[in-house]
Amino acid sequence: TQLLEQSPQFLSIQEGENLTVYCNSSSVFSSLQWYRQEPGEGPVLLVTVVTGGEVKKLKRLTFQFGDARKDSSLHITAAQPGDTGLYLCAGVEYGNKLVFGAGTILRVKS
Amino acid sequence: DAGVIQSPRHEVTEMGQEVTLRCKPISGHDYLFWYRQTMMRGLELLIYFNNNVPIDDSGMPEDRFSAKMPNASFSTLKIQPSEPRDSAVYFCASSHNRVWAGELFFGEGSRLTVL
Repeated sequence: TQLLEQSPQFLSIQEGENLTVYCNSSSVFSSLQWYRQEPGEGPVLLVTVVTGGEVKKLKRLTFQFGDARKDSSLHITAAQPGDTGLYLCAGVEYGNKLVFGAGTILRVKS
Repeated sequence: DAGVIQSPRHEVTEMGQEVTLRCKPISGHDYLFWYRQTMMRGLELLIYFNNNVPIDDSGMPEDRFSAKMPNASFSTLKIQPSEPRDSAVYFCASSHNRVWAGELFFGEGSRLTVL
């Protein structure tokens, strides 16, 4: 059983569409990170959220940390082929290790 | 700036052989992590070091796996003997303090196939 559940597991959309991916847990996290991983490469950090209810924007990407610090979402507006990749959330339980979710594979078709 | 450097990028070996994966972390980073990624289990932490000292190796699957960090600029992950179920992509990552809140910088990974 994954500590962090990500959904959907796979998403295939057309260029220009909007999408949201989710990261959920029954545990409370002191912080949560989102990474993107492209084929043949290692994950690259997109954002870290640390405050319940926090919203961060990175160009067309909007990240939200749940009020209870148990969940997070990533919303992409007007997706582009360059957004294609594996999106991983990773949470830090208080005093414990960073744990990764299984990821959401996003494919944006042109 | 050079990122985390891993070698080899690809390794194909036969069951029973010894495998050594290498990692050079980013200069100045205090923490080094070894992860394994598979489709079934995702990214799993194997072991991490702080200032060259192993801190937590509870993720190392079994005694066949060992990791060393002889100095601040080099680490190895060794599998002896290797088994087909060890096939995975092995990532090394480094970080500068605030270990579980800071950014992890990953290498490009070493893809291991054990036949």
